[in-house]
Amino acid sequence: AQTVTQSQPEMSVQEAETVTLSCTYDTSESNYYLFWYKQPPSRQMILVIRQEAYKQQNATENRFSVNFQKAAKSFSLKISDSQLGDTAMYFCATPQGGSEKLVFGKGTKLTVNP
Amino acid sequence: EAGVAQSPRYKIIEKRQSVAFWCNPISGHATLYWYQQILGQGPKLLIQFQNNGVVDDSQLPKDRFSAERLKGVDSTLKIQPAKLEDSAVYLCASSLIAGILTDLNTGELFFGEGSRLTVL
Repeated sequence: AQTVTQSQPEMSVQEAETVTLSCTYDTSESNYYLFWYKQPPSRQMILVIRQEAYKQQNATENRFSVNFQKAAKSFSLKISDSQLGDTAMYFCATPQGGSEKLVFGKGTKLTVNP
Repeated sequence: EAGVAQSPRYKIIEKRQSVAFWCNPISGHATLYWYQQILGQGPKLLIQFQNNGVVDDSQLPKDRFSAERLKGVDSTLKIQPAKLEDSAVYLCASSLIAGILTDLNTGELFFGEGSRLTVL
């Protein structure tokens, strides 16, 4: 079975500090994108960052960056200068099954403390 | 640009009753997904449509769940009869089109706010 594993159910960080959320995955896709989604308490899932598997360079979006290790099938999310608004569930997602449907991990609940 | 619209936001029903959820995807998005998200878990795909055809419904409990997207635009997910374990948030998402990866079509999903179902 193709899976996405997020091994940290909950994490907390102090405001302005850096935190890294881990994700490992398994896929049979040959070309694909990987995604981190954020789900604040209001529930709507929004995209944080995406990474194309064929690109060597790790993606960066402002305070968010990834560490993509393709051979190890690892895709971690680093949040720098954490803000209170970063408090949310974070989900790693990869496409599987040949039709690019996204499969999600169980999520990491991140709490940013003042 | 309008996002993915879902209704109702909340629904409480008794077990064995029926319920329907509606979703209108982003205009121009050919692919539509229904996900089930049980509290504390990640979303689980129920069904994927491309235009008005079903691409994948392998995870849909077909004895009680049904979904349609008759005109290739909006979609309805129905549960009949509901069970206690169906209590969850039902998320609708859309994407441009599956099967053609480009810099503009990365497979990113755009989600609605979800419909929270409570079965008593």
